Amino acid sequence: AQTVTQSQPEMSVQEAETVTLSCTYDTSESDYYLFWYKQPPSRQMILVIRQEAYKQQNATENRFSVNFQKAAKSFSLKISDSQLGDAAMYFCAYNRDDKIIFGKGTRLHILP
Amino acid sequence: DTGVSQNPRHKITKRGQNVTFRCDPISEHNRLYWYRQTLGQGPEFLTYFQNEAQLEKSRLLSDRFSAERPKGSFSTLEIQRTEQGDSAMYLCASSITVSANTGELFFGEGSRLTVL
Repeated sequence: AQTVTQSQPEMSVQEAETVTLSCTYDTSESDYYLFWYKQPPSRQMILVIRQEAYKQQNATENRFSVNFQKAAKSFSLKISDSQLGDAAMYFCAYNRDDKIIFGKGTRLHILP
Repeated sequence: DTGVSQNPRHKITKRGQNVTFRCDPISEHNRLYWYRQTLGQGPEFLTYFQNEAQLEKSRLLSDRFSAERPKGSFSTLEIQRTEQGDSAMYLCASSITVSANTGELFFGEGSRLTVL
């Protein structure tokens, strides 16, 4: 079965600090994309960052970066300088057969 | 607002009734996806369209569920004879084909269904 596992249902971080959200996945594909999506309370889900599996360099988008370990099938998200607006559900996902498969999510709380 | 629009945002119905949700995608997007999200879970794929063609349906989509996308524009998701287990947030997302392959879906705010 091809799945995405997020082992941290909830996490908290102090404002301005750094937090890392974990994700492992299982796929038999050799070429695929991995994603982190953010779902703020009562707002639509948006794409935060994307990683192409064949690229060794970790993707970075401003304060968001990933640690992609292909052999370990691990894909963590690091948020630096956490802000109150980062509070949301974060979903790890990958693409399979023209659709996106999501994990169960991690709820991130930002403590002022 | 040129984003993905979903209506109604909230629907409360009694068990056994039929409900229909509508999704208006971003106008130039040829792909449209429906997902279901229950409390504490990630979105689960239900079905998707390329233009007006329905290309895949999940096993989650029982015979009571039907989705259409006439003329390749807006889409409807109908649930017949609703059951309490159908209570969930129904999410619609759209993309252009290339972006869909690389994961960039644009989501609506969802339609929340409560079945009493």
